[in-house]
Amino acid sequence: GENVEQHPSTLSVQEGDSAVIKCTYSDSASNYFPWYKQELGKGPQLIIDIRSNVGEKKDQRIAVTLNKTAKHFSLHITETQPEDSAVYFCAASGPRSGGSYIPTFGRGTSLIVHP
Amino acid sequence: DAGVIQSPRHEVTEMGQEVTLRCKPISGHDYLFWYRQTMMRGLELLIYFNNNVPIDDSGMPEDRFSAKMPNASFSTLKIQPSEPRDSAVYFCASSSTGSGRHQPQHFGDGTRLSIL
Repeated sequence: GENVEQHPSTLSVQEGDSAVIKCTYSDSASNYFPWYKQELGKGPQLIIDIRSNVGEKKDQRIAVTLNKTAKHFSLHITETQPEDSAVYFCAASGPRSGGSYIPTFGRGTSLIVHP
Repeated sequence: DAGVIQSPRHEVTEMGQEVTLRCKPISGHDYLFWYRQTMMRGLELLIYFNNNVPIDDSGMPEDRFSAKMPNASFSTLKIQPSEPRDSAVYFCASSSTGSGRHQPQHFGDGTRLSIL
């Protein structure tokens, strides 16, 4: 089955700095890569996603890059703000047994932005 | 629009008791997922349904766990009997097929379960 590795597990930055979270996946059939943000006491919420037919996608201060050959994808947050502090999860999704598209999640990165 | 609704938000009970967690998915979504989140194991997929039918329950830890989806707007996850090691946050999520393309999962805010 699919295996997703996520690094680092904890990331501490100063407000205004950039933050980068990296993930690798194992199943070359995976073709959809969402990123989720989980705030304290809440469920994970989608913040950005990328499909395998593109290499990069941006949405204001966040961007994702995908290298299908190397099976790497990354989340980039620029000009970090204290409200960016949360746990971030990457996921890789592709056709699984039975034909369903089920994501496999990384272990999460706890991002702390210091004012 | 209403998101995924889970109840209760918090549950504290003694070991051996039956626990029932409830979920209302987003209207129109045909997939429903139950996850368990712990510090040690992260986010674990327990079971998922497609069109109310259980597709894969290989993540259900033991026979003490069961899940049902009697209709498109309601699902339950039951633990009987409960044990302290079942303490975790349980999430329900739903998604739609969306023209054969991947669609993101929408998560509820979870049920924090504590078994004493």
